[in-house]
Formats: sequence, C-alpha cells, structure tokens
Amino acid sequence: EDQVTQSPEALRLQEGESSSLNCSYTVSGLRGLFWYRQDPGKGPEFLFTLYSAGEEKEKERLKATLTKKESFLHITAPKPEDSATYLCAVQGNGGSQGNLIFGKGTKLSVKP
Amino acid sequence: KAGVTQTPRYLIKTRGQQVTLSCSPISGHRSVSWYQQTPGQGLQFLFEYFSETQRNKGNFPGRFSGRQFSNSRSEMNVSTLELGDSALYLCASSLTSRVTDTQYFGPGTRLTVL
Repeated sequence: EDQVTQSPEALRLQEGESSSLNCSYTVSGLRGLFWYRQDPGKGPEFLFTLYSAGEEKEKERLKATLTKKESFLHITAPKPEDSATYLCAVQGNGGSQGNLIFGKGTKLSVKP
Repeated sequence: KAGVTQTPRYLIKTRGQQVTLSCSPISGHRSVSWYQQTPGQGLQFLFEYFSETQRNKGNFPGRFSGRQFSNSRSEMNVSTLELGDSALYLCASSLTSRVTDTQYFGPGTRLTVL
C-alpha cells in the first residue's frame, strides 16, 4: 500500500534560521512526488513536482530534492510569510489516475 | 489565467440533508479530482472525472457521488449527511488524466454538518 510520512509534524524557526522538512514514501513505482503549501482555510498551492531520484528544483527560498525513499524541502533563511503547512504527495504505478496519496503535512511557523 | 473556483465557499447543513458542491476547473483542464480534508485523516481522495466519465473512486460510501459536464465543470453530491462529513472539500484540476500531471487545487468548500 502506498504511504507517505512527513516529519516533523510541526517546526518552529526564527527568521533566517534554515532547516529541512522530510517526506518519506513507500510506493510501487514512483511516477511523481508533489510538494504543496497550504495556508489556513485555503486550498493547497502547488510548489514542485519531482519525477526521479537525484532531481532538484528551486523556487525563491525553497529547494526540493528527491531520493529513492524520501524527499526533502529545504528552506533557506525563512521569513514569517513562509509560515504554512507544507504537504507532500505521491503518485505511484499502483495508484489510480488523479489519486494523489498525501502525507499529514508539516506545520511551519517562522517567528520574526 | 483564472484558477480553480469552488462554490459555495461555506455551507452549514443538518444531519440527514443532502448537499451539492460545484467546481470549475482551470480553463483547458479536462480532469477534475475531489478530495476530503479533515484534521484527523488529512487529504483523502474521493473520485476523479475525465471527459465526463468517472475514472477512479476512493474508499468512500455510496452517499458520495459526483459528475462532470461537457465543459469540464464538476459537481459532487453528498446525501444523507452525517456529522463526520464535516470537512473541507477540495477540488483539483489537471490538464489531462495522466498520472504525472500536476493537480491545481481550488480554495475548497467548508461543510459543517450540525
């Protein structure tokens, strides 16, 4: 059964304090790993898609990396506006089209 | 380009009633998926529609149903509402039904069942 585990559940950082969020996955043939950001009361906002081990993508202060078992979302010098819940999702060979398997998310709080 | 829109944004219903939620995908997108989000279970897949056909369904009871129209707009219906149906219902659209396509989410409909 496809499964996604995110850690930590919650992370508090000071502004400028870099850190990483982890997404461990078990999937039968990874077709894609997706990172989303979700603000309270809103829908998830797409950040990145990674397709194969070794792939990396960057956007402003965020960098996503992928290995065969996990993905990391690195946040460099975060700002208070980066506070949100970050969700990781996978699509595997055994999964049906449109059926993303989501982790429970990491709630990030960045204090000024 | 306009994003995914969902209406209504908030709904309050009582047990036993039924509800219909609407989703308009990004222009040109033909696949629409529905998810339920709760604090305990997180995001769970309900079903996916492509070209007016339900392609896949998650592990939810038959009280949850949906449909897609020729313009790709989609509706989902929940009959005989239960307290546990209180959740944020999210719609996501993608260009096609390929498993590698990125899904873009709408703002959601917050359903409260009293």
